[in-house]
Amino acid sequence: EVQLVESGGGLVQPGGSLRLSCAASGFTFSDYTMHWLRQTPGKGLECVSAINPTGATTFYTNSVKGRFSISRDNSKNTLYLQMGSLRPEDMAIYYCARLSSGSWFDCWGQGTLVTVSS
Amino acid sequence: EVVLTQSPATLSLSPGERATLSCRTSQSVSNYLAWYQQKPGQAPRLLIYDASNRATGIPARFSGSGSGTDFTLTMSSLEPEDFAVYYCQHRTGWPWTFGQGTKVEI
Repeated sequence: EVQLVESGGGLVQPGGSLRLSCAASGFTFSDYTMHWLRQTPGKGLECVSAINPTGATTFYTNSVKGRFSISRDNSKNTLYLQMGSLRPEDMAIYYCARLSSGSWFDCWGQGTLVTVSS
Repeated sequence: EVVLTQSPATLSLSPGERATLSCRTSQSVSNYLAWYQQKPGQAPRLLIYDASNRATGIPARFSGSGSGTDFTLTMSSLEPEDFAVYYCQHRTGWPWTFGQGTKVEI
């Protein structure tokens, strides 16, 4: 069974840091581009960051450039999102998702909640 | 950035009825559009990709159509498990964006 399981969310103060992890199983992780997305009641669903199968190419939405860093460890079948200089507007449910061969999000994790508050 | 506008915001229907959801994009996305279903407390699930192709395991009552800037998701006869929020999403140029969602309620 294809599965993605996020972890690492929690409460952090503004300006703080957090690292999210996404453990993949049931498929050949190293074959797929992976994404982090987030969801809030106000802004809805948003693509945050992406990384190609080798980790050589990454993308970020403008609002997180310079603050977030996506990475992966194909030997551990794990995707990461290092988040720094966190702001209240970064508060959201964060999902990792697999990009299908047709470039759609065909598998999602259950999400992990990030709360940014003092 | 491509803006996706979904309508209506809420659709109130009964089981067995037909549902028609709209997604309009601020510029042409060709057929690079997908639809997702999200139920409370769950992640989104891919329903339709490339505007009209059903994803693996999606029942035939779900269909998608459209190209360019106007797209439609149709559920031919609503089942109780279809009451949820539906999102459209494009992938023409980063950042890929989502619509704000249509809630299909009983």
